[in-house]
Amino acid sequence: KQEVTQIPAALSVPEGENLVLNCSFTDSAIYNLQWFRQDPGKGLTSLLLIQSSQREQTSGRLNASLDKSSGRSTLYIAASQPGDSATYLCAAQFQGAQKLVFGQGTRLTINP
Amino acid sequence: NAGVTQTPKFQVLKTGQSMTLQCAQDMNHEYMSWYRQDPGMGLRLIHYSVGAGITDQGEVPNGYNVSRSTTEDFPLRLLSAAPSQTSVYFCASSYWEGVSSPLHFGNGTRLTVT
Repeated sequence: KQEVTQIPAALSVPEGENLVLNCSFTDSAIYNLQWFRQDPGKGLTSLLLIQSSQREQTSGRLNASLDKSSGRSTLYIAASQPGDSATYLCAAQFQGAQKLVFGQGTRLTINP
Repeated sequence: NAGVTQTPKFQVLKTGQSMTLQCAQDMNHEYMSWYRQDPGMGLRLIHYSVGAGITDQGEVPNGYNVSRSTTEDFPLRLLSAAPSQTSVYFCASSYWEGVSSPLHFGNGTRLTVT
């Protein structure tokens, strides 16, 4: 079964720290992997999409990496701010499937 | 830009009632989908469509119907509501369901079935 896992479920860090969120997937045959942000009571906002041929993508203070051989992706957030507090979800589109498989998310709290 | 618009934002139904959750997008996206989000279960795909006139089932399709008569609209119908359908429902779309198109989400419909 194709699954996506995010550990830990919750993370709390002081403002200004660099941090890494983890995402693992069970099948290395993926088309792409996406990272999303979800604020309470809101929908998901796409942050970064990494195609299977890429190793990483960057947007501002965010950097996402993809290692298909180990079945892992990481989201690196530099110089964290209280406004970064949200739930972060990763989702993989596996080859042959017309859908995304989501992890359950990591709830991130940045303390001022 | 409106993006993906879902209505209503909140809804309370009694068991056995039917209703339609509306979803519209103004980005000319070919791919549209419905997810439900439940605590401890994450996001699960209900139905999806790769273009007007084409729909297919996701992981949890039972109790739901969809149709796609236009590119813009993808309504989700609850045929006979059950308490197990209490959830937050999200509609999402992308330009193409292939490799390089990020998924855009609406703000969700919070449904309670009593």
